[in-house]
Amino acid sequence: AQSVTQLGSHVSVSEGALVLLRCNYSSSVPPYLFWYVQYPNQGLQLLLKYTSAATLVKGINGFEAEFKKSETSFHLTKPSAHMSDAAEYFCAVSDKSNTGKLIFGQGTTLQVKP
Amino acid sequence: NAGVMQNPRHLVRRRGQEARLRCSPMKGHSHVYWYRQLPEEGLKFMVYLQKENIIDESGMPKERFSAEFPKEGPSILRIQQVVRGDSAAYFCASSLTVDRGLTGELFFGEGSRLTVL
Repeated sequence: AQSVTQLGSHVSVSEGALVLLRCNYSSSVPPYLFWYVQYPNQGLQLLLKYTSAATLVKGINGFEAEFKKSETSFHLTKPSAHMSDAAEYFCAVSDKSNTGKLIFGQGTTLQVKP
Repeated sequence: NAGVMQNPRHLVRRRGQEARLRCSPMKGHSHVYWYRQLPEEGLKFMVYLQKENIIDESGMPKERFSAEFPKEGPSILRIQQVVRGDSAAYFCASSLTVDRGLTGELFFGEGSRLTVL
């Protein structure tokens, strides 16, 4: 069965600093992987996804993630944090069944300090 | 094209009452998913439906919870005899296909936040 682990429930960075949010997955088949962002009292918005093409995936708002099969990781990065990046971030894996459901990690809250 | 619409956005119920949460998927989407988000936790899958069919309800509690997606109208998540532990945000998502590798992005609504007093 597929699963996702996000290391660090809270991450705090200064504005302009590198953002690194960690995600490790477990999957018995080549996975589809996703990062979603959730702003307070809102739904989830897709940031980017990996679907077995390029291992470095670029998303919206300057975020990118690299799929590393050897490390079973899909960490999310952004070179320079902006105050507007403060939100909760979820890593997810598609269970590759015929349902298309996503399995989510616990989430990481990103705080950006001025 | 309107996004996934959920209502009510906020719902307060007393213990023992019923809660009904509605979800209108994006136009043209026939695949609907319900997720629950408890405080300080991630999203947990509850149920996947297509029109008039429950496809996967492996995440639904065995009692008090039910879901439907009728031929006409929104999908409904129903919680009978609510308890304080049901307090959570309930998110609906819809998609055009089940293949997440192609264009089958899962679009989320803004959620319905249930508070049980």
